[in-house]
Amino acid sequence: LAKTTQPISMDSYEGQEVNITCSHNNIATNDYITWYQQFPSQGPRFIIQGYKTKVTNEVASLFIPADRKSSTLSLPRVSLSDTAVYYCLVKSRNQGGKLIFGQGTELSVKP
Amino acid sequence: GAVVSQHPSWVICKSGTSVKIECRSLDFQATTMFWYRQFPKQSLMLMATSNEGSKATYEQGVEKDKFLINHASLTLSTLTVTSAHPEDSSFYICSARPLPQALQETQYFGPGTRLLVL
Repeated sequence: LAKTTQPISMDSYEGQEVNITCSHNNIATNDYITWYQQFPSQGPRFIIQGYKTKVTNEVASLFIPADRKSSTLSLPRVSLSDTAVYYCLVKSRNQGGKLIFGQGTELSVKP
Repeated sequence: GAVVSQHPSWVICKSGTSVKIECRSLDFQATTMFWYRQFPKQSLMLMATSNEGSKATYEQGVEKDKFLINHASLTLSTLTVTSAHPEDSSFYICSARPLPQALQETQYFGPGTRLLVL
């Protein structure tokens, strides 16, 4: 099982770009990298998923280097409402696609 | 699309009673649903994998006789906390994975159920 490691917390200001890096050194060939956002007392919300290189959607970008041992979630121009916990997860066929959550990164956006 | 609901959103019960929590996929079918528990300021902990038409698979350390899971249809899974005690007070969250069950399929989470056992 590919364990993920990400910073416990990050601070930012409104309008800035935020990059959260996650390491997953033991990622397997067929594993996918997926990111979720969670607000207090709510279920996690899917943000983005990727396998390699770069993925972009209307919310964020995900950068994955060639060795896939890390990934970076990029949030452009954050606002106060982006204050949340962000989880990086690896989906593994060996684990039946189960999502095993790590500690996550608590992002605090200040005015 | 891809909405998962939970009912109730919160529940308060007396110690020793049982509580049932429902998880429904509203606009898609899911042969597999997952149940998580989350304590304050902690991450989500996977409790069990619920498979439609078969027995649930529990994670290590989770008592299957205490947390009864039933997945009776492709859109409904239930978690029953039996003989609840104050230490069972937590935030329970389910997720569902749409068919077809390819690895890259996104899992969608419900809004969670807050359980308080007095």
